[in-house]
Amino acid sequence: EVQLLESGGGLVQPGGSLRLSCAASGFTFSSYAMSWVRQAPGKGLEWVSGISGSGGSTYYADSVKGRFTISRDNSENTVYLQMNSLRGEDTAVYYCAKNPGSMRYFDYWGQGTLVTVSS
Amino acid sequence: QSALTQPRSVSGSPGQSVTISCTGTSSDVGGYNYVSWYQQHPGKAPKLMIFDVSKRPSGVPDRFSGSKSGNTASLTISGLQAEDDSDYYCCSYAAGYVVFGGGTKLTVL
Repeated sequence: EVQLLESGGGLVQPGGSLRLSCAASGFTFSSYAMSWVRQAPGKGLEWVSGISGSGGSTYYADSVKGRFTISRDNSENTVYLQMNSLRGEDTAVYYCAKNPGSMRYFDYWGQGTLVTVSS
Repeated sequence: QSALTQPRSVSGSPGQSVTISCTGTSSDVGGYNYVSWYQQHPGKAPKLMIFDVSKRPSGVPDRFSGSKSGNTASLTISGLQAEDDSDYYCCSYAAGYVVFGGGTKLTVL
């Protein structure tokens, strides 16, 4: 059974940093791309970032490019999202999602972790 | 990376059919057969309902179907049931990024 468990969310001040983690199990982690998708309170889904199975290719939404960094540790079956220079508009539930070979869809989702950016 | 356009809401009675549209551009919906649809109940994670325009994952009822014409994709739900009352999001892969629609609230009357 595929399981994705996010952690690392919380309250952070504007301009601060936070690192999210997503521990995966139930599949051959290194064979699949992984992504982060967020949802601001009462709003729709927004793709944030994706990473290839090897970690050699990374992709970002324009809204976070230069501030967020996605990475993965295939020995630990974990994907990370390092978030710097956080803004109020980054407040959202952040979901970790598994992709098939590419980012063409998201077949499994975690339950999400809430990030609140506020002073 | 502009969001895809979906109607804010649609509704239908049990047993009826509804269609949700999703309009993008030739750079996303029109350029790739990589449209997917997600169902999201309040407080829950999204669930994949359709991928690659018209394919259904195992376990998704065949009442759910997808199609695409040009820059517009559609999700059709036939034989509406109470449990279909939910938010639905379309999504398209593009070159190096992914874009979602704004979401559609389906109300089963």
